[in-house]
Amino acid sequence: GAVVSQHPSRVICKSGTSVKIECRSLDFQATTMFWYRQFPKQSLMLMATSNEGSKATYEQGVEKDKFLINHASLTLSTLTVTSAHPEDSSFYICSAHTGETGYTFGSGTRLTVV
Amino acid sequence: AQSVTQLDSHVSVSEGTPVLLRCNYSSSYSPSLFWYVQHPNKGLQLLLKYTSAATLVKGINGFEAEFKKSETSFHLTKPSAHMSDAAEYFCVVSAGTTDSWGKLQFGAGTQVVVTP
Repeated sequence: GAVVSQHPSRVICKSGTSVKIECRSLDFQATTMFWYRQFPKQSLMLMATSNEGSKATYEQGVEKDKFLINHASLTLSTLTVTSAHPEDSSFYICSAHTGETGYTFGSGTRLTVV
Repeated sequence: AQSVTQLDSHVSVSEGTPVLLRCNYSSSYSPSLFWYVQHPNKGLQLLLKYTSAATLVKGINGFEAEFKKSETSFHLTKPSAHMSDAAEYFCVVSAGTTDSWGKLQFGAGTQVVVTP
């Protein structure tokens, strides 16, 4: 079946630095990629939706200049957390969507900002 | 607008006994409904989905769910719990039909604990 490879699975960074998270769709082309954030013991909250070749659409309350999303190809989407702070520590999950494969989730990235 | 409510934040069952996870939804359109399972620090695995076909949906690992429009419910059941079923379960709704997949709205989650 469809697989989305998400890397890294875990990352620890210093406050003020930037971190890039990658999601690659394997054996299929992801026209749409959704990015979610999940705080401990909480549900997934949609951050943004990106379509290949166009600007991402951010949900209300999500800073687009802080969470940079790039969807330059049909198989790769990236989320960059810029100038990370401890409150950005969270579990980030991507989900690729196509009409044929439906929604396919990555395995998630645990970000810890120290 | 769409929303989903998982009625239990925590369910504890004994191994071999039935599991019931309750979910109610609200949607302005004919919804697509999903149940996902998440093990600690892992991504989400699709258990089953309802997309306006049969109201009783069978999924993986012995799980099934019944779509009841009159009750706006989509409860998840399993006849006999296994230790490996211990995880977090999310009920999810998507507005639109199978031809217009929309954004996913996640419930708050139900933590399932299975005791020997």
